[in-house]
Amino acid sequence: RKEVEQDPGPFNVPEGATVAFNCTYSNSASQSFFWYRQDCRKEPKLLMSVYSSGNEDGRFTAQLNRASQYISLLIRDSKLSDSATYLCVVNLGDKIIFGKGTRLHILP
Amino acid sequence: NAGVTQTPKFRVLKTGQSMTLLCAQDMNHEYMYWYRQDPGMGLRLIHYSVGEGTTAKGEVPDGYNVSRLKKQNFLLGLESAAPSQTSVYFCASSLDGGLVEQFFGPGTRLTVL
Repeated sequence: RKEVEQDPGPFNVPEGATVAFNCTYSNSASQSFFWYRQDCRKEPKLLMSVYSSGNEDGRFTAQLNRASQYISLLIRDSKLSDSATYLCVVNLGDKIIFGKGTRLHILP
Repeated sequence: NAGVTQTPKFRVLKTGQSMTLLCAQDMNHEYMYWYRQDPGMGLRLIHYSVGEGTTAKGEVPDGYNVSRLKKQNFLLGLESAAPSQTSVYFCASSLDGGLVEQFFGPGTRLTVL
């Protein structure tokens, strides 16, 4: 099993819809988790950290399920500007692993 | 604040040539990183530094060298470029290691012919 796995997509979603994607990780000792967003030909930027209790930032909700070893990202009322690649990041303590990303296309 | 900057933005090299990529940050961060990003491979860590004067190997260090002579700068060197080093190179910095946000530079697109 790969250390961090994401569905590469693309997810083609109509504007205004809700979309969710998961990221699974293999190491149960993973300490911290993040979602980054990367626009085409741009650098990754932090979208949100993922806390054990889950966290919400506007239309975005991130959750952690330690028992099943995955994190999720939910986007409500999707906008055209949400089109990007979403990278899952897992901190194992001695190293940080970036997932390969999930591509999201919001359709007008 | 400029954040993290990278020089150059684009470069084309011939096999066997050498070059240095420069990364600079003005956030007084201790940690700095060099990644490469290839299609279908995601971001892979080349080398990193936990403070001025220190460097350590990441996941894919072969063919690269780094130096951190000043806290704000992290240099990535290719001594003898190979076509397999064609990639987009990102530098990043963070206040601490792992538990906090990494700030990325805009990237350097390198092609080795």
